[in-house]
Amino acid sequence: NAGVTQTPKFRVLKTGQSMTLLCAQDMNHEYMYWYRQDPGMGLRLIHYSVGEGTTAKGEVPDGYNVSRLKKQNFLLGLESAAPSQTSVYFCASSGEESGYTFGSGTRLTVV
Amino acid sequence: RKEVEQDPGPFNVPEGATVAFNCTYSNSASQSFFWYRQDCRKEPKLLMSVYSSGNEDGRFTAQLNRASQYISLLIRDSKLSDSATYLCAARGSSYKLIFGSGTRLLVRP
Repeated sequence: NAGVTQTPKFRVLKTGQSMTLLCAQDMNHEYMYWYRQDPGMGLRLIHYSVGEGTTAKGEVPDGYNVSRLKKQNFLLGLESAAPSQTSVYFCASSGEESGYTFGSGTRLTVV
Repeated sequence: RKEVEQDPGPFNVPEGATVAFNCTYSNSASQSFFWYRQDCRKEPKLLMSVYSSGNEDGRFTAQLNRASQYISLLIRDSKLSDSATYLCAARGSSYKLIFGSGTRLLVRP
């Protein structure tokens, strides 16, 4: 049982480049989330989805876009990467009453 | 003011000690609460849910105080393997979890 799978695990981007982070879950969860984690800042919610075809902004959405075309997948896009987006990105999914299950994270460095 | 706040620590305790963490939340509409454990450079993993009646799992006990808007985590008989960062989280509307910044625990031999 894979749970939540994130790809890639590591990436180095140049300023201005674009990329997409993929999150896939096999638990049939309705809700999916993208967080970033920076030292001393904790986990901050970027975007989230309450079901297939729906997305909503979280606490720090600027510079990111998301799509949830299929229930099991939640994509996070960076259109024009900036050094301030250097971070560890975690995807998570949940059912209505359960806690989150997290993916193993993507370590992104923007130079 | 952050919606969920924790003392960052670190809490440095000897093996066998009992240690307690508190976490305060500001949104009185928060409905569910959780404690997560996060090891260095790893993803957070659910430690336990926090129920109104309290919740115990082995050496770990979690409690909720709605009147004072805080949750607590008690770890008894600390082990070296308990060294980690402990995140509390509160769920409000739209099933979003808001996390605290974490409390770091170091258990020494």
